[in-house]
Amino acid sequence: DTGVSQDPRHKITKRGQNVTFRCDPISEHNRLYWYRQTLGQGPEFLTYFQNEAQLEKSRLLSDRFSAERPKGSFSTLEIQRTEQGDSAMYLCASGTDTQYFGPGTRLTVL
Amino acid sequence: RKEVEQDPGPFNVPEGATVAFNCTYSNSASQSFFWYRQDCRKEPKLLMSVYSSGNEDGRFTAQLNRASQYISLLIRDSKLSDSATYLCVVRGAGGGNKLTFGTGTQLKVEL
Repeated sequence: DTGVSQDPRHKITKRGQNVTFRCDPISEHNRLYWYRQTLGQGPEFLTYFQNEAQLEKSRLLSDRFSAERPKGSFSTLEIQRTEQGDSAMYLCASGTDTQYFGPGTRLTVL
Repeated sequence: RKEVEQDPGPFNVPEGATVAFNCTYSNSASQSFFWYRQDCRKEPKLLMSVYSSGNEDGRFTAQLNRASQYISLLIRDSKLSDSATYLCVVRGAGGGNKLTFGTGTQLKVEL
């Protein structure tokens, strides 16, 4: 499968714990994006990488959130001290004009 | 005001019907326009890009009116398998490469 992959697909955690998600983009894409989607809403942009450089961050990305793409290939999104409001689907996408989405990581914070 | 606005629906239509979705966007500097389809608990998938000249892909026709900042999607001869949420998407709103999504319009095609 040469599409965008994400791991894990589901994560249940207790409030206050840290979680980390991984995204592997389509191999030839140098742009990688993170979005968050809550029930009944469209995805909302979080951050964007061109190769290893993080070029844009949404104000939704509080200081508890950090994203990296150290070698310009896969990316990780870490949430520290999770809150119940962090419960959402976290989507990764890669591409340029057209963005292709991975299956997402569904986070539930208890 | 939201950057991209859509009627959330749901639109319940019989199989074979023609259904139209509309969307407006607020930033006139937006550069690219798309319709994505999202099935329940799945990721969004690109349905089609939208061009000012209008474009068609089988039963689907998309239209863009830059002057009115209005995007439409027409589905002809709807199938049960068309049941999904249709997301209106704009790129370049506010600059950059991020996509800005509407809340989506839910379509249910019934027998």
